Amino acid sequence: GDSVTQMEGPVTLSEEAFLTINCTYTATGYPSLFWYVQYPGEGLQLLLKATKADDKGSNKGFEATYRKETTSFHLEKGSVQVSDSAVYFCALSLQGAQKLVFGQGTRLTINP
Amino acid sequence: GAGVSQTPSNKVTEKGKYVELRCDPISGHTALYWYRQSLGQGPEFLIYFQGTGAADDSGLPNDRFFAVRPEGSVSTLKIQRTERGDSAVYLCASSLNGFGGTEAFFGQGTRLTVV
Repeated sequence: GDSVTQMEGPVTLSEEAFLTINCTYTATGYPSLFWYVQYPGEGLQLLLKATKADDKGSNKGFEATYRKETTSFHLEKGSVQVSDSAVYFCALSLQGAQKLVFGQGTRLTINP
Repeated sequence: GAGVSQTPSNKVTEKGKYVELRCDPISGHTALYWYRQSLGQGPEFLIYFQGTGAADDSGLPNDRFFAVRPEGSVSTLKIQRTERGDSAVYLCASSLNGFGGTEAFFGQGTRLTVV
């Protein structure tokens, strides 16, 4: 079945470090791909998305590129801040199937 | 309201009891979803409504779980004969039209604890 596999956490970095959180997927069709973020005490929020191969989603300094050849959608940020501390979820949805399939989440902690 | 509202935020119930969890989606959103998130896991799909009808209920784990959306707005997730394994955070989301790739907006969830 369709699935998403994320880099296991927790991940701890120092402020201004470079961030990569790996995400790979398995899907029978051509999914849309998403990164959702859950800040402490808040609900899940869409961070960025890409709907077709080679698209790059970006928001708040985060980027992810839809790589069909490697079935990946890795999240990157060049210089993280303490305020980026949160749990990050990679997800997919298939055309015609409106539900989201989530990875297990990666907890990120940024130390000052 | 401005966002998706879920009530209650916390619910503790005894094993075997019946519970109802409420979701009030963003006004005008025709698509509504329920997910369940166990500790340390990502959300798992339960059911999707388009308007008043359940378009996909393939994620409901068994017949103790049921959800309704009678007027195409507020939805209620109903769990009968609760079990300890039902303990989780139940998330509701809504989106404008439910098409693939459309952003889903999530509520803060209801934490259900079955003791």
